[in-house]
Amino acid sequence: AQKVTQAQTEISVVEKEDVTLDCVYETRDTTYYLFWYKQPPSGELVFLIRRNSFDEQNEISGRYSWNFQKSTSSFNFTITASQVVDSAVYFCALSGLNYGGSQGNLIFGKGTKLSVKP
Amino acid sequence: DTGVSQDPRHKITKRGQNVTFRCDPISEHNRLYWYRQTLGQGPEFLTYFQNEAQLEKSRLLSDRFSAERPKGSFSTLEIQRTEQGDSAMYLCASSTRQGNSGNTIYFGEGSWLTVV
Repeated sequence: AQKVTQAQTEISVVEKEDVTLDCVYETRDTTYYLFWYKQPPSGELVFLIRRNSFDEQNEISGRYSWNFQKSTSSFNFTITASQVVDSAVYFCALSGLNYGGSQGNLIFGKGTKLSVKP
Repeated sequence: DTGVSQDPRHKITKRGQNVTFRCDPISEHNRLYWYRQTLGQGPEFLTYFQNEAQLEKSRLLSDRFSAERPKGSFSTLEIQRTEQGDSAMYLCASSTRQGNSGNTIYFGEGSWLTVV
């Protein structure tokens, strides 16, 4: 079975602090994809990143960085120098191909609500 | 705006009534998905279309739910005889087909349903 666990339900930081959102996944698929989405209060899910299971290179995009470690089945997301506009719910998601996962069926975690205070 | 658009954004209905939501995907996307999200939870997959063909339906999609995409463009999701448990946000998403599950799925802003 496929599963995504985001153990942190809520995180509160003060502006300019760094914050890491954890994501642990389970899958039997040999090829799979991992995603992060941001959901601001408006409700729209905003795509942040997609990573396939064969690419363990860390990625940095501005203040955002992602650490993919296949050995620990984790795909953590770090925001450096957080800002108030980063306040949102962040979801990690998994999509597989071979077992249980169909093409397009994203399995989401329960999300981590990040509050950045000024 | 060329993103995924959904209508209506909010709907309040009485238990037992039927409701219909519409989704217009990104124009060049041939895949369209419906998800449901309840408070404090992540989105849950309901169904998806490739062009006009409905290729997969989740067990969450009871027989009171029906989705269509008649011409492979916009889609509708109808809920018949609504129940209070149907109260949720219904998210539509779209993507291109890249022959694997790595295609990025872009979501709309969702349609909030409240059944009273």
